[in-house]
Amino acid sequence: GNSVTQMEGPVTLSEEAFLTINCTYTATGYPSLFWYVQYPGEGLQLLLKATKADDKGSNKGFEATYRKETTSFHLEKGSVQVSDSAVYFCALSGGATNKLIFGTGTLLAVQP
Amino acid sequence: NAGVTQTPKFQVLKTGQSMTLQCAQDMNHNSMYWYRQDPGMGLRLIYYSASEGTTDKGEVPNGYNVSRLNKREFSLRLESAAPSQTSVYFCASSEGLVRTGELFFGEGSRLTVL
Repeated sequence: GNSVTQMEGPVTLSEEAFLTINCTYTATGYPSLFWYVQYPGEGLQLLLKATKADDKGSNKGFEATYRKETTSFHLEKGSVQVSDSAVYFCALSGGATNKLIFGTGTLLAVQP
Repeated sequence: NAGVTQTPKFQVLKTGQSMTLQCAQDMNHNSMYWYRQDPGMGLRLIYYSASEGTTDKGEVPNGYNVSRLNKREFSLRLESAAPSQTSVYFCASSEGLVRTGELFFGEGSRLTVL
């Protein structure tokens, strides 16, 4: 079945460092791919998405490119801020179902 | 601008007790969902409702029941709580297919079963 694997955390970075959080997926067909972010004490919110191969999703300085050949959707940001500290979830939705499948989440801690 | 509202935010139960988590959305969305979040396991879908009057099982439905009361409200019931149901529960809604759209989440309900 469909699944998402993302790198384990926590990831600890200094402010202005480059961020990569790896995400790979297993799916039949052509899923849509998402990154959701959960700030402390809050629910998840959509960060970015890509619905077809080679699409790049971007928002708030974050980017991720849908790579079908490597079944990946890695999240990147060129210069992180303390306010980016949160848990990041990779997710996919595919086929005829109206469901999202989430990865286990990666905790990012950015230090000043 | 309320979005998705869940109650209660915190609850402590004893094993065998029952309770209902309430969820309401004010965005006129068709689909609603209940997830649980556990450390190291991410979010897992318990039940969902694609539209008013329909409900379907997700990945981990055992021990839970749901009711889609109307278009706005989707409740989750634990009939006989067990310690394994200690978790943070999230309700979410979407206008249409999540394949192209977005899930909107509530702030979560933290449940502890002793």
